[in-house]
Amino acid sequence: ETGVTQTPRHLVMGMTNKKSLKCEQHLGHNAMYWYKQSAKKPLELMFVYSLEERVENNSVPSRFSPECPNSSHLFLHLHTLQPEDSALYLCASSQDRGLNEQFFGPGTRLTVL
Amino acid sequence: GENVEQHPSTLSVQEGDSAVIKCTYSDSASNYFPWYKQELGKGPQLIIDIRSNVGEKKDQRIAVTLNKTAKHFSLHITETQPEDSAVYFCAASRTYALNFGKGTSLLVTP
Repeated sequence: ETGVTQTPRHLVMGMTNKKSLKCEQHLGHNAMYWYKQSAKKPLELMFVYSLEERVENNSVPSRFSPECPNSSHLFLHLHTLQPEDSALYLCASSQDRGLNEQFFGPGTRLTVL
Repeated sequence: GENVEQHPSTLSVQEGDSAVIKCTYSDSASNYFPWYKQELGKGPQLIIDIRSNVGEKKDQRIAVTLNKTAKHFSLHITETQPEDSAVYFCAASRTYALNFGKGTSLLVTP
């Protein structure tokens, strides 16, 4: 295991639902990331948090709302999603916000009906 | 922004053969080039990385080469084994933001 856990592993939701994805890292890292992985596309960086402060919001629609209450936990709150938002959502962490190895969790497979 | 192209998209080799995956990048300021392996049902895991002050790096059966002038880097896997079957991603970066290629699905057949 990488030391990064994500829950739930699978999620099916309707377009009017509100749900949250959770990520926890047990590595003592200071930076955390949300990525979106869609078929036939490169991994897309969505958000970056460093020491609980959001440092990047990569033009992500407002229906995705991140939250980082402390350096070990990261959430992605979802509301009024579209079917094209169906993808694997990956959380990662790194020692700091530099050119360091990023450790990925197993991801949450999201299906929007 | 940075654009990373990765080839081939699929690669099938016989056990014991070598596998080579190639990537090109567009931002000449990129100076960190990691390679990730993703197995089914798991997140990507770093297998090797190289920084721009080095031209080649090797770790057992895995090696990476970097040509900064041509802006391309390659992953070489020798003596492939069935457990090497996975999707491999290259990435290029000059900050914390990794720019990934689309991935190569490697299949090693016994």
